Amino acid sequence: DAGVIQSPRHEVTEMGQEVTLRCKPISGHDYLFWYRQTMMRGLELLIYFNNNVPIDDSGMPEDRFSAKMPNASFSTLKIQPSEPRDSAVYFCASSPTQGNYGYTFGSGTRLTVV
Amino acid sequence: SQQGEEDPQALSIQEGENATMNCSYKTSINNLQWYRQNSGRGLVHLILIRSNEREKHSGRLRVTLDTSKKSSSLLITASRAADTASYFCATDVRGANNLFFGTGTRLTVIP
Repeated sequence: DAGVIQSPRHEVTEMGQEVTLRCKPISGHDYLFWYRQTMMRGLELLIYFNNNVPIDDSGMPEDRFSAKMPNASFSTLKIQPSEPRDSAVYFCASSPTQGNYGYTFGSGTRLTVV
Repeated sequence: SQQGEEDPQALSIQEGENATMNCSYKTSINNLQWYRQNSGRGLVHLILIRSNEREKHSGRLRVTLDTSKKSSSLLITASRAADTASYFCATDVRGANNLFFGTGTRLTVIP
């Protein structure tokens, strides 16, 4: 398995533009997580899915953020409109199930909003 | 906050020495996990210790867990330059279905 695949690796966009981050989890993993990492706040959970259904989106900072998982092999995180404070590294992770399993992380998308 | 806190924030040692990192947390857990993150990369799962376990080994890694003190330690023996990375503890909190990550320890191993 190629692991969790995220795209793009880097994204530079202007304030106000729409940004879409993509993730392909490991096949057979039922859980998918979106995290954001910044120097100031560390790793923050934004949202997670179980069997393609959003379970907890309490970490999504604002209505500008939305996430979807249309099928078991694909998820997107969208920011519209983007703001400079959204600049961060966004990670996707997947897990086979909950309880006593580690997460497999993608390589992340480094987002810079100018 | 349900995040764990690692101590120290940064650690610099010579190659061949042992490195010890500590993690404290606040709530009851199902398990505690340690991850490594190399600069510019994603997190890599290292080891998981269940709440009913006290010690676990994996290669040069040794993890301890003291649930009465709500603390864990990660020991890396005979460190190598390639061990240079940030190390995070993550708690699988009872009642929650996700991991809460600590603030990380930045380890530098000097060749």
